[in-house]
Amino acid sequence: DSGVTQTPKHLITATGQRVTLRCSPRSGDLSVYWYQQSLDQGLQFLIQYYNGEERAKGNILERFSAQQFPDLHSELNLSSLELGDSALYFCASSVEGSGWYNEQFFGPGTRLTVL
Amino acid sequence: ELKVEQNPLFLSMQEGKNYTIYCNYSTTSDRLYWYRQDPGKSLESLFVLLSNGAVKQEGRLMASLDTKARLSTLHITAAVHDLSATYFCAVDGSGTYKYIFGTGTRLKVLA
Repeated sequence: DSGVTQTPKHLITATGQRVTLRCSPRSGDLSVYWYQQSLDQGLQFLIQYYNGEERAKGNILERFSAQQFPDLHSELNLSSLELGDSALYFCASSVEGSGWYNEQFFGPGTRLTVL
Repeated sequence: ELKVEQNPLFLSMQEGKNYTIYCNYSTTSDRLYWYRQDPGKSLESLFVLLSNGAVKQEGRLMASLDTKARLSTLHITAAVHDLSATYFCAVDGSGTYKYIFGTGTRLKVLA
C-alpha cells in the first residue's frame, strides 16, 4: 500500500458525460501527478500540482482539467467524454515538486470505461 | 521534446537466465527512476538514480545510470517467475518539471 488513495475504483459512463476522479496523496506529500494509461498510448503524464498550484502540463486534453485543494487532495475532471478516453487513470504523489528528486508513489488507479 | 525509449518492449526469458533492459533518454537529466507494474495493478517504485555512475541493487535487480550516454540499464540476474511484470523507466525533464515514462518492457519469466 503506497498510501495514495483514489476513488472511485471503477467508473462506467456514457459518451458526452462528465466525471470527476479523486486522489488523496500520502501524508506529507505536496505534489500530485495525474497519468492516463491505455493499451495503445502507454503511460501518459497529464498534469502536476505542487502545493495547490499547477506546476507542469503534459498531454492533457482541453476537455480535462484538474485542481489541488488546500488539504492537498486533487481532482481530475473529464468532460465531453469520448470512447477513446477509456483508460486507467493513476494519481501519484511525491514529497518534493522541484529541486530534488521526485520518487513517485502511485495510487491504485481508477478504471474508466466510456460506452 | 523529452523522449524516453526502452528496449526491448517484450522480453520472454527462462528462469535462471540473465538479461538487461535498456532505457535511453533524449535530454540532460541526472534523475532517473525505475518502476514495476504487475498486470492490472499500480506502479511501484524500484530504484531512484540521482547521479552519473549511480548503481542500485535490490535482490536480483540492479540498476545503473550513465548520464553522459543518457542511458540507464536494469539488469536481471538469475530470473525467477516472480519478476514477471512490466518495468518502466522515467526521467525528470530537467527544468521543466515534466516527468516522462518510457514505453515499458513487459517481462515474462518462464519456468
